[in-house]
Amino acid sequence: GESVGLHLPTLSVQEGDNSIINCAYSNSASDYFIWYKQESGKGPQFIIDIRSNMDKRQGQRVTVLLNKTVKHLSLQIAATQPGDSAVYFCAEKKSGYNKLIFGAGTRLAVHP
Amino acid sequence: NAGVMQNPRHLVRRRGQEARLRCSPVKGHSHVYWYRQLPEEGLKFMVYLQKENIIDESGMPKERFSAEFPKEGPSILRIQQVVRGDSAAYFCASSKLGKAYDNYGYTFGSGTRLTVV
Repeated sequence: GESVGLHLPTLSVQEGDNSIINCAYSNSASDYFIWYKQESGKGPQFIIDIRSNMDKRQGQRVTVLLNKTVKHLSLQIAATQPGDSAVYFCAEKKSGYNKLIFGAGTRLAVHP
Repeated sequence: NAGVMQNPRHLVRRRGQEARLRCSPVKGHSHVYWYRQLPEEGLKFMVYLQKENIIDESGMPKERFSAEFPKEGPSILRIQQVVRGDSAAYFCASSKLGKAYDNYGYTFGSGTRLTVV
């Protein structure tokens, strides 16, 4: 289930289940979105991206869905594995700017 | 092909000292970005540089912080007279073009963890 911890919300799933991580973004002018995975002590690692002219994009075991009407982004991970345990961040880029604006993050905990 | 290299990985400074963080971008990348991350939080944009130019410094504190990306050598983030509140992880990213194509070319380094004692 999903719970809000002291700081980062945590999503706990069983190995093999599908995971859905949600993100609300802030700016309707954002034209590009990225999901990053960050393991302890490491930098953000690219997972998948999507442009604002799309509503769905699939990668290997991951799918990103974009709902511009409600400014919502989700990351779906199929058949979650222990190696997927990490903190996941969404990031948005506003049209005309190069900087990324990161969301607060969700910790994914995968249990055997 | 080496990724973004940041050093040092860990840096301890006493209050009032200077901290210098270095970032060598991916070979061929001419755009560098610095971000700061506090524990249990997302990354916060600080500054965006191209070779010898600061393009966007909207996230940089007005005092004590400066950044450069010289024609030769790594990008440097410099924090003067550090205070305990500067303790954080500082990440550098680089990209080939300032355009949002194919992951934006954005590649992050492993970060420098600054601790001010």
